[in-house]
Amino acid sequence: YVLTQPPSVSVAPGKTAEIACGGDNIEEKSVHWYQQKPGQAPVPVMFYDSDRPSGIPERFSGSNSGSTATLTISRVEAGDEADYFCQVWDRIGDQVVFGGGTKVTVL
Amino acid sequence: EVQLVESGGALVQPGRALTLSCSVFEFTFADYALSWVRQAPGKGLEWVGFIRRKTDGGTPEYAASVRGRFTLSRDDSRGIAYLQMKSLRLEDTAVYYCTRFRSGPGSYIFDYWGQGALVTVAS
Repeated sequence: YVLTQPPSVSVAPGKTAEIACGGDNIEEKSVHWYQQKPGQAPVPVMFYDSDRPSGIPERFSGSNSGSTATLTISRVEAGDEADYFCQVWDRIGDQVVFGGGTKVTVL
Repeated sequence: EVQLVESGGALVQPGRALTLSCSVFEFTFADYALSWVRQAPGKGLEWVGFIRRKTDGGTPEYAASVRGRFTLSRDDSRGIAYLQMKSLRLEDTAVYYCTRFRSGPGSYIFDYWGQGALVTVAS
C-alpha cells in the first residue's frame, strides 16, 4: 500500500494550509498524522482521521474521503513550520505505511 | 510523564551487529506493543517493525527491508525493548526511534516517541 504526499506546501501566516495524503481507497483506512520539527522526534497531531491528541490546537483538523486524506492547519503560525507525515495500518500485511512527508513552509 | 529512552546507538562497520535498547517510564510496559521507526539522514520516516504485547501473543512483525536481519524482543520484567540488528548495511544508517504502539479500532498509532538513537554504518 502506498501513500503519496506533496513534497512541499507554502503558506502565509494566518492563512490555511492543506496537506494531502493520497492512497487507494484511503477512506477505508484510518489515517494518522505526525509533525516533525528539525532535530526533534515526531509528534502526533491527528489520530483516526480527525481526532486531535491532547494539547494539539483546534487549528489542526483532519478529514478523509475517497482517495485522499487531508490535514488542515488554519490560521497558520510560524511555529507550524515542520515536516508532516501521514500513516496508516495495512491490515493485509500487518504493516505500517508512512507517506513520504510534506514540508510546510510559512512564508 | 510517559517517556521512552533509546540507548546503544553507535558507529559500526558494514556487516557487523548492534543492539538498541528502549527503556520506558510512566506507563505499564506490558500493556502495550512497542515499535521502532527509523529515519535516514534527510529522509522520511520508515517503519522497522513492532512487537506485540504478551497478551496478544508477543510476536513481532517486520518491514521487508529488515526482515531476516533485525530481531525485536521485549523484557516485560525490566520494561525494556530490544532491537537486534545484524548484517548491517550502509543504508541502515539512520536515527532509530522507539515508540509506544497503541492499538485502536482497526489500526495502530504511534502515540509516544523516544528522542532517537543514531546508528551509523560506515567503514
